[in-house]
Amino acid sequence: GAVVSQHPSRVICKSGTSVKIECRSLDFQATTMFWYRQFPKQSLMLMATSNEGSKATYEQGVEKDKFLINHASLTLSTLTVTSAHPEDSSFYICSATGTGGPSSYNEQFFGPGTRLTVL
Amino acid sequence: GENVEQHPSTLSVQEGDSAVIKCTYSDSASNYFPWYKQELGKRPQLIIDIRSNVGEKKDQRIAVTLNKTAKHFSLHITETQPEDSAVYFCALRPIYNQGGKLIFGQGTELSVKP
Repeated sequence: GAVVSQHPSRVICKSGTSVKIECRSLDFQATTMFWYRQFPKQSLMLMATSNEGSKATYEQGVEKDKFLINHASLTLSTLTVTSAHPEDSSFYICSATGTGGPSSYNEQFFGPGTRLTVL
Repeated sequence: GENVEQHPSTLSVQEGDSAVIKCTYSDSASNYFPWYKQELGKRPQLIIDIRSNVGEKKDQRIAVTLNKTAKHFSLHITETQPEDSAVYFCALRPIYNQGGKLIFGQGTELSVKP
């Protein structure tokens, strides 16, 4: 299967700071990337869908000014949590799909996740 | 919008027994139904998927069945092993979803006791 990486894997920051998380597709071109957050013992909650070269589409209830998403290339999307607060502490996971990639049915390949802790 | 209900939320079986997890959905306009396994602190891993034109698919000890009329699909794991212990998520992709986003079930925590 295709490989998706995420960086950093773990970050601890002070309240009020901004944190950037990178999601990269290593061996295919990701035309679409998805950002999820996951609380302990809960399901994956889709935050936004990001297409290369265009603005992200946010799910209802997700603040686009707080969670800035940039998908500037076919292999990289970034999620910036601005002015982070303790309630933003969560596990953030990206996934990617691509045309001409390993699957013709647009299978989603997930990154390893980023554990964000805001103090 | 589309909704996926997954049951049970927890499942405990003895090693060697079978495990079945079921998901029901409301919108019949869905064409792709994947199942993911997630170990603690790790990424979700696709374990099997099924398209809407197929009723059953099997891969070694894992099988998925789809009943489009009744709007449910199930994951079957036979001869369970301790390493099958994880959280399993069903998902589906509604046809109307531009961009291919998935709708996930609530998850089932499977525990296989040796």
